[in-house]
Amino acid sequence: QQQVKQSPQSLIVQKGGISIINCAYENTAFDYFPWYQQFPGKGPALLIAIRPDVSEKKEGRFTISFNKSAKQFSLHIMDSQPGDSATYFCAASGAGGTSYGKLTFGQGTILTVHP
Amino acid sequence: EAEVAQSPRYKITEKSQAVAFWCDPISGHATLYWYRQILGQGPELLVQFQDESVVDDSQLPKDRFSAERLKGVDSTLKIQPAELGDSAMYLCASSSRPDLRGSPLHFGNGTRLTVT
Repeated sequence: QQQVKQSPQSLIVQKGGISIINCAYENTAFDYFPWYQQFPGKGPALLIAIRPDVSEKKEGRFTISFNKSAKQFSLHIMDSQPGDSATYFCAASGAGGTSYGKLTFGQGTILTVHP
Repeated sequence: EAEVAQSPRYKITEKSQAVAFWCDPISGHATLYWYRQILGQGPELLVQFQDESVVDDSQLPKDRFSAERLKGVDSTLKIQPAELGDSAMYLCASSSRPDLRGSPLHFGNGTRLTVT
C-alpha cells in the first residue's frame, strides 16, 4: 500500500531530447506528488510537485503529468541538457497532521544526457 | 540560501562498533527527519521530530538505532552496534510547514556510512 514504483532504472538521452520517467502508486490516501533531483554526493532537492486535482503542471522545461484514475504520474524533461544528468526520484505523501514531509520515494532513475 | 548541515560527510566503522551522525536543520524549522538511502534506492524515512518530540519512529530499528533532538534544534542519530547492512547514506531533512502541502523538504548532503 505504501509503495511507489518508478521506471526506468536508467535512461540515456541525447542533448535536446525528451526524458520521460514514470511512477505508479497504490495508496489512494497520497495527495502530494513531488519529484526530487539528486546529484552525486548531494542530498535530494525538490524539483517540481503536483497535487492530485491537477492533471499537469509545467515549470520551465519540466512537466508533471498526473493520471489519478490510473494512479500514475510522470516527469517529462524537454530539451534535455547535460546538466540535467542526475538521479530523479518520484515521491508521494498523504494528507493529515504533519505528514507531507513523510515521503515515500520511488527507486530512482539515473538520467544521463549526452552532449 | 540556508542549508541543512550534516557531519561527518563520511564514516567508516567496523561492525559491532557504535557510530553517531549529527544534523543541524535550517534555522526555525521545527520539523526534522532522518532518512536512510541504501545505494541504488530511494530514501526511506527512519524518524520524524516535531521540536524535541518524536512524531513517528515506526520505521526506526529500535534495537540498535536511537535518535534524539534534546533542545529541539540539532539532532543526533546513533547506531549501536553497527551491522554490515547499515551501510548507506543517512540523510537529514527539515521543513517549516509539514502540515502544508507544497512546503518543501530541505535535505542535507548526508553522511555516507560504510560498515566493514
